[in-house]
Amino acid sequence: DTEVTQTPKHLVMGMTNKKSLKCEQHMGHRAMYWYKQKAKKPPELMFVYSYEKLSINESVPSRFSPECPNSSLLNLHLHALQPEDSALYLCASSQEWTANTGELFFGEGSRLTVL
Amino acid sequence: EDQVTQSPEALRLQEGESSSLNCSYTVSGLRGLFWYRQDPGKGPEFLFTLYSAGEEKEKERLKATLTKKESFLHITAPKPEDSATYLCAVQARNTGNQFYFGTGTSLTVIP
Repeated sequence: DTEVTQTPKHLVMGMTNKKSLKCEQHMGHRAMYWYKQKAKKPPELMFVYSYEKLSINESVPSRFSPECPNSSLLNLHLHALQPEDSALYLCASSQEWTANTGELFFGEGSRLTVL
Repeated sequence: EDQVTQSPEALRLQEGESSSLNCSYTVSGLRGLFWYRQDPGKGPEFLFTLYSAGEEKEKERLKATLTKKESFLHITAPKPEDSATYLCAVQARNTGNQFYFGTGTSLTVIP
């Protein structure tokens, strides 16, 4: 089973709303990632969690708040977003966060629209 | 300086017309080169991992090869369902543990 599940698939929110994106994997992977992807651009790394601890924050604005409740779950809490934050948000996982992570497995993504 | 460059940006093929996509990289100490397929509005789907020059991997109509400077994704007798964006990513000694993605090649296969 090489599945990463993301919910919701689509989310529309106003700039004053608070919402969350959720990600789940049951492959026993110990590294989980959030990427942001704009149209016709490659995925951009936002956060990396390794063994449930935040390892990388790519200078992401504080209106994005990640959380890793356990080794299978990853959340991204959203608050006071801007229209330019509209994008496809991708969750991924890999066996480890090391020099040789092996392949990343991505979820289907959550399409976020900020009005 | 771009560390991963993919070409062409877009490619249109007739069904059955074989071709190759290129991914060139300038990182040092390559630890892995990864090919993904991405359909519109979906997450990237893993295709291949290549670790060392000379390595080749095959899956159905796709074959990935690796040299010290670039990787090729060969598509033999493509079908319309092969239409997608193909992304390559590298992980290397000088990128920390991070993946660096190329901008992708958008492939359209015309029936």
